[in-house]
Amino acid sequence: GEDVEQSLFLSVREGDSSVINCTYTDSSSTYLYWYKQEPGAGLQLLTYIFSNMDMKQDQRLTVLLNKKDKHLSLRIADTQTGDSAIYFCAEIMNYGGSQGNLIFGKGTKLSVKP
Amino acid sequence: SQTIHQWPATLVQPVGSPLSLECTVEGTSNPNLYWYRQAAGRGLQLLFYSVGIGQISSEVPQNLSASRPQDRQFILSSKKLLLSDSGFYLCAWSYGGGETQYFGPGTRLLVL
Repeated sequence: GEDVEQSLFLSVREGDSSVINCTYTDSSSTYLYWYKQEPGAGLQLLTYIFSNMDMKQDQRLTVLLNKKDKHLSLRIADTQTGDSAIYFCAEIMNYGGSQGNLIFGKGTKLSVKP
Repeated sequence: SQTIHQWPATLVQPVGSPLSLECTVEGTSNPNLYWYRQAAGRGLQLLFYSVGIGQISSEVPQNLSASRPQDRQFILSSKKLLLSDSGFYLCAWSYGGGETQYFGPGTRLLVL
């Protein structure tokens, strides 16, 4: 079935690194995404990785992709209190044509302690 | 640059009342448009998507309907709200290729 799995909670101390993990199901997914949702707000696209890449780095964010294990991770270096939010992993399921449906995980709530 | 708006931000409605939520996109043309619902427990469920004016695809059977009267306007409606319709409704857009989706600020709906 179509299921993207994430752990529900992660707690870290300010200044530490955070690693949020995700497993996905469709080996043919072309793009994998990380979105951030702050309380009461919409989803903000953080970063994405194309399926032919193993790693993507963008400032404090590092995305690692293990296609063999269908495992995606998001590492946030030097985590700040402003990083506290829910982080969603998503994969795109392509059914052909111009439409690709995003399948989301349930989100990981990151709490950053000062 | 492209922006996406949703209106209203918050809505409290009685059971059995009608609903109309609006989503508009600026700065692009012929986008794909999407409606998601985020219920308690945080999961996101795709409700509808549209690849063009008047073209609506429904992902799940439900009490809601969607319409796209203009290229950059997407409306979510109901004739009679149910308690189970409460949730956070998110609109998103993507370019016609359908990959990366960009989300609006959301509408919080509480049905009492």
